[in-house]
Amino acid sequence: GAGVSQSPSNKVTEKGKDVELRCDPISGHTALYWYRQSLGQGLEFLIYFQGNSAPDKSGLPSDRFSAERTGGSVSTLTIQRTQQEDSAVYLCASSWDGPMLNTEAFFGQGTRLTVV
Amino acid sequence: TQLLEQSPQFLSIQEGENLTVYCNSSSVFSSLQWYRQEPGEGPVLLVTVVTGGEVKKLKRLTFQFGDARKDSSLHITAAQPGDTGLYLCAGGAIIQGAQKLVFGQGTRLTINP
Repeated sequence: GAGVSQSPSNKVTEKGKDVELRCDPISGHTALYWYRQSLGQGLEFLIYFQGNSAPDKSGLPSDRFSAERTGGSVSTLTIQRTQQEDSAVYLCASSWDGPMLNTEAFFGQGTRLTVV
Repeated sequence: TQLLEQSPQFLSIQEGENLTVYCNSSSVFSSLQWYRQEPGEGPVLLVTVVTGGEVKKLKRLTFQFGDARKDSSLHITAAQPGDTGLYLCAGGAIIQGAQKLVFGQGTRLTINP
């Protein structure tokens, strides 16, 4: 696609329910990242994929969070038993190379998750 | 602890004024990037600086990477309402053996007409 696409754009869920957030990266981008942005805060790193493997998942805040990537393309971030503190905007980014130290990261518009 | 500290966190000024936003760290970074994020959108890359002391200009925006590669600044001349947004600096570093792009908390800039 033309850009990074995330769905849904907004999600309201009840505390304790599971949610799945989807990211379609730019075609051909091997690296994919998930970040979380709470209100008024910067970006909190969650996980980094290179192809289908995740060499760095150190940012996942708890075992309720998991992510997978299939076919070197689409990624799904799953949050189980959601809590109110999970409410945030979840951003996905992709880039051509590995860790995006010197290369441009392209971000999606994010999924705004609200846990009530 | 915040690896990258941005200051100020909030800045509201009048159109036509100049401003500087700072991004500081005690760590050395291989590169620093500046992004701008508008409401409802993801961040968009403005510039990447990779050499200590490097200065890059993007129209009215001037970016500088510190000589020791631990800090950076963004200077805007004659600010315009279109400059309004959240400015994020991001540093490339090796953390716990993994290469990672670390973001600051951002500077929320408002330019009033």
